[in-house]
Amino acid sequence: KQEVTQIPAALSVPEGENLVLNCSFTDSAIYNLQWFRQDPGKGLTSLLLIQSSQREQTSGRLNASLDKSSGRSTLYIAASQPGDSATYLCAVESGTYKYIFGTGTRLKVLA
Amino acid sequence: KAGVTQTPRYLIKTRGQQVTLSCSPISGHRSVSWYQQTPGQGLQFLFEYFSETQRNKGNFPGRFSGRQFSNSRSEMNVSTLELGDSALYLCASSLAASEETQYFGPGTRLLVL
Repeated sequence: KQEVTQIPAALSVPEGENLVLNCSFTDSAIYNLQWFRQDPGKGLTSLLLIQSSQREQTSGRLNASLDKSSGRSTLYIAASQPGDSATYLCAVESGTYKYIFGTGTRLKVLA
Repeated sequence: KAGVTQTPRYLIKTRGQQVTLSCSPISGHRSVSWYQQTPGQGLQFLFEYFSETQRNKGNFPGRFSGRQFSNSRSEMNVSTLELGDSALYLCASSLAASEETQYFGPGTRLLVL
């Protein structure tokens, strides 16, 4: 059974810092991995989608990597800003479940 | 292009009642997935529909059901509501059935009293 874990559960950093969020999954047989952000009380916004054949994806200040063999993905945020404050969720498309989500990392960027 | 819309946004029901939630996907998207989000369990997959057929189903009791119409709009129904069904229900749409970016709606917040 696929399980997705995110570390840390919460993170508070000063503005301008580069940071890394971690996501691990137990079954390497995934179709893809997607990173989302969720603002309080809102739906999810897709940030990056990495197909199983890819190693990384970049969008602006965000870079996500995928290592299927070790069951890990990282989301790198460069030069963090207060507007980056949100909960970040990773999800894997695996088996018969559309997406299995991690529990998220709650990020707060202090001005 | 309009995003995923969900109606209603907020709903209050009592135990034992039933509820129907609606989701309109992005135009041209044929896959619609439903998720339940609670503080205790996080985001959990309910089911996915593609071209009016249920493709996948999560580990939820039979009280949770859904359907998809020919215009790709989807509804989910929960019968005999329980207090534990209080949650944010999110739907997501994507172009194809797999390996595509999922776009989420704002959710329907259901409170069961």
